[in-house]
Amino acid sequence: EDQVTQSPEALRLQEGESSSLNCSYTVSGLRGLFWYRQDPGKGPEFLFTLYSAGEEKEKERLKATLTKKESFLHITAPKPEDSATYLCAVLPSSNTGKLIFGQGTTLQVKP
Amino acid sequence: ETGVTQTPRHLVMGMTNKKSLKCEQHLGHNAMYWYKQSAKKPLELMFVYNFKEQTENNSVPSRFSPECPNSSHLFLHLHTLQPEDSALYLCASSQGELSPLHFGNGTRLTVT
Repeated sequence: EDQVTQSPEALRLQEGESSSLNCSYTVSGLRGLFWYRQDPGKGPEFLFTLYSAGEEKEKERLKATLTKKESFLHITAPKPEDSATYLCAVLPSSNTGKLIFGQGTTLQVKP
Repeated sequence: ETGVTQTPRHLVMGMTNKKSLKCEQHLGHNAMYWYKQSAKKPLELMFVYNFKEQTENNSVPSRFSPECPNSSHLFLHLHTLQPEDSALYLCASSQGELSPLHFGNGTRLTVT
């Protein structure tokens, strides 16, 4: 069964304290992996798409990486405005082609 | 201002009421989606429309009825809901499977 698991469920960091969020997946072939950011009371906002193992994408303090089993979202020197829930979603190669979302990691960055 | 607009933002309804959620996208996308987001659970796909045609119905109970009159508008008609249907309902659009989803800010539904 296709599955996506994110860890940790919640993460508290001090401003400037770098860390990583994990997205592990078990799917029958990967067509793409997506990262989204969701602020309270809002819909998810697209961050990155990764298509193949070894690929990396960067945006400001965020860097997403991909292996054959997992993806990491690295946050370098985070600021309070980086506080949000980060969602990972996988598009498998199966016939259904439906995005499978993880449960998300809620990040809180304290000043 | 998001390219995907959802109304209303909040809705409280009784179990015997009938209401509708509305979604409009201004991005020229071909596909539109309804997702359900419950606390502590992953986003759950409900319906997919491609070029106004429904291509996915993810085993959703018949008390949820989607409607897509054109590629820019999507509705979710609700009737005889249960308290466990209380959740955030998100609409999204995209240019296709490998394109990222663009979400609206959702309708927070409470069923009493």
